[in-house]
Order: sequence, then C-alpha cells, then structure tokens
Amino acid sequence: DSGVTQTPKHLITATGQRVTLRCSPRSGDLSVYWYQQSLDQGLQFLIQYYNGEERAKGNILERFSAQQFPDLHSELNLSSLELGDSALYFCASSPSPGKRNEKLFFGSGTQLSVL
Amino acid sequence: SQQGEEDPQALSIQEGENATMNCSYKTSINNLQWYRQNSGRGLVHLILIRSNEREKHSGRLRVTLDTSKKSSSLLITASRAADTASYFCATARVGSQGNLIFGKGTKLSVKP
Repeated sequence: DSGVTQTPKHLITATGQRVTLRCSPRSGDLSVYWYQQSLDQGLQFLIQYYNGEERAKGNILERFSAQQFPDLHSELNLSSLELGDSALYFCASSPSPGKRNEKLFFGSGTQLSVL
Repeated sequence: SQQGEEDPQALSIQEGENATMNCSYKTSINNLQWYRQNSGRGLVHLILIRSNEREKHSGRLRVTLDTSKKSSSLLITASRAADTASYFCATARVGSQGNLIFGKGTKLSVKP
C-alpha cells in the first residue's frame, strides 16, 4: 500500500458529461501529480500541485482542470468528456518538489470509461 | 510527449533466466527511475539512479546509466513468475519540478 488513496476506483459515464476524480496524498507529502495512462499514449503527465499551488503543467487538455485543497487532497475535473478520454488516471505524491532525487508514490488509479 | 523509450516492448523468458530492459531518453536529466506496474494497478518505484552515477544495485535489480548515450538498462537476475509485470523508465529532467516523464514500458512475462 503506497499510502495514496484514489476514489472512485471505477467510473462509467457518457460523452459530454463531467466527472471529478479525487486523490489523498501520503501523510506528509505536499506535492501531488496527475497522470493519464492509455494504450495509445502511454503514461502522460497532466499536472502537478505543491501545497495548493500549481507547479507544473504537462499534456493537460483545456477541458480538464485540477486543484489542491488546504488539507492537501486534490481533485481532477474532466468535463465535456469524449470517448478518447477513457483511460486510467493516476495520482502520485512526493514530499516536496524541486528536490532533485525524489521518487513518486502512486495510487491505484481511477479507471474512467466514457460510453 | 514521451521522454523515454523502452526496448523491447515485450519480453518473454523462463523462470531463472535474466531479463534485460533498455531505456533511451532525449534531454538532460537529474535522475532516472524504474517503476513496475502489475496489470493495470498503480506503479511501484523500484530504483533511482542519479545522473552522476553509472551503476546501482538493489537485490536482484541492477541498473546502469550512460548519460553520454542517454540510455539506461534494467537487469533482473534469476527472474521469478512473480516478476511478470510492465516495467517503465522515468526521467526527471533538469529544471523540472519533480514531475517524471515516463516511457511506454516493457511488458515482461516470466514463465514458470
């Protein structure tokens, strides 16, 4: 158990809908990362937060947004969903960003199916 | 965009054999890490090698890093059926905020 909690584990929704994925980092970790894993694109970095502030942005679509709350949990909001958004979404955490040699701790992911 | 590219994409071996996976990357890095993923589950960190290191060992794992060739290899010795999983290399680029860029992975199958 990595200590990173993601909910829900599975989500089935329809095109055009909006969903929210939730992540609780490991106790004491201030940085949260979101990744999308699909068969064709592999593991894509979406966005990173540190202590409530956005730190880095990757291949995140404009239809997607995220935030990190004062209690350090994070939510990834996906809107106007398309079939191609079906993927496994991972959250990871680490103690602090910018330290050059930190490993990430991953949650077990949310499997999103858009029908 | 992918930073690392693993090779081979898939590898099938017998229990007891060694498994070697390679990774190439494109930019200057602070470190390179290897992660393991069991069929659609979360990724688990295996080993980290810093840019100024050339080789590192952890149990049955041996990682090498050649920054001049921008490549790394992961060797699993005396493989077991339980090693069956996908293995990903990930790089922390110089100037990044800690986020990692992953390759597409090598799917390892170890037959008993």
